[in-house]
Amino acid sequence: DIQLTQSPSFLSASVGDGVTITCRASQDIAGYLAWYQLKPGKAPNLLIYGASTLQGGVPSRFSGSRSGTEFTLTISGLQPEDFASYYCQQLSRSPITFGQGTRLEI
Amino acid sequence: QVELQQSGPGLVRPSGTLSLTCVLSGDSMNSGIWWTWVRQPPGKGLEWIGEVYHDGRTNYSPSLKSRVTISVDKSKKEFSLSVTSVTAADTAVYFCARKAFDSQLYYLMDVWGKGTTVTVSS
Repeated sequence: DIQLTQSPSFLSASVGDGVTITCRASQDIAGYLAWYQLKPGKAPNLLIYGASTLQGGVPSRFSGSRSGTEFTLTISGLQPEDFASYYCQQLSRSPITFGQGTRLEI
Repeated sequence: QVELQQSGPGLVRPSGTLSLTCVLSGDSMNSGIWWTWVRQPPGKGLEWIGEVYHDGRTNYSPSLKSRVTISVDKSKKEFSLSVTSVTAADTAVYFCARKAFDSQLYYLMDVWGKGTTVTVSS
């Protein structure tokens, strides 16, 4: 199975800050990585796919990038509604796997 | 608007079978789409369970493969999850989702059901 190591597990920030979350794959997954936002009681919300393609309707303060097997999600200018959990996911091959998650709190 | 509506019991007895259904509206079950199940145990992260193609082909998580069946009924535009011999470890929020691909052939899970909380308890 492809392992995704996501860091940090917990992140504390303030409204207006910029933050970066990293996800490292255990083997080459090309650009087959997605990022999701998860809030309690709600379904996961797709933010980024193909490592850097912004899903329609997602604010442009969210961006994704790739360098080899390392992927980053950057949120520029945090808004109150951004405080949530974030997960990376590889869709390169089965079984699909997720990172351990990052909890972003004020 | 494409939507997935989940249904199924919220309480299952230990050693019993968990059964959930997801119904698609606003689209048809086209080729190229995999219909997927994901779960989140309390206080834990997301776990992929498996997926089914419109022709019935399936892929399952190796850790759940012996207990899981995912099936599809195109005529009803629905797909289902069955997990046998459940224990407390199967207590989770279960989500159904659509896995599609874009013009560059990158996969994405863009449409999700609202989630069903399933508790395994006697």
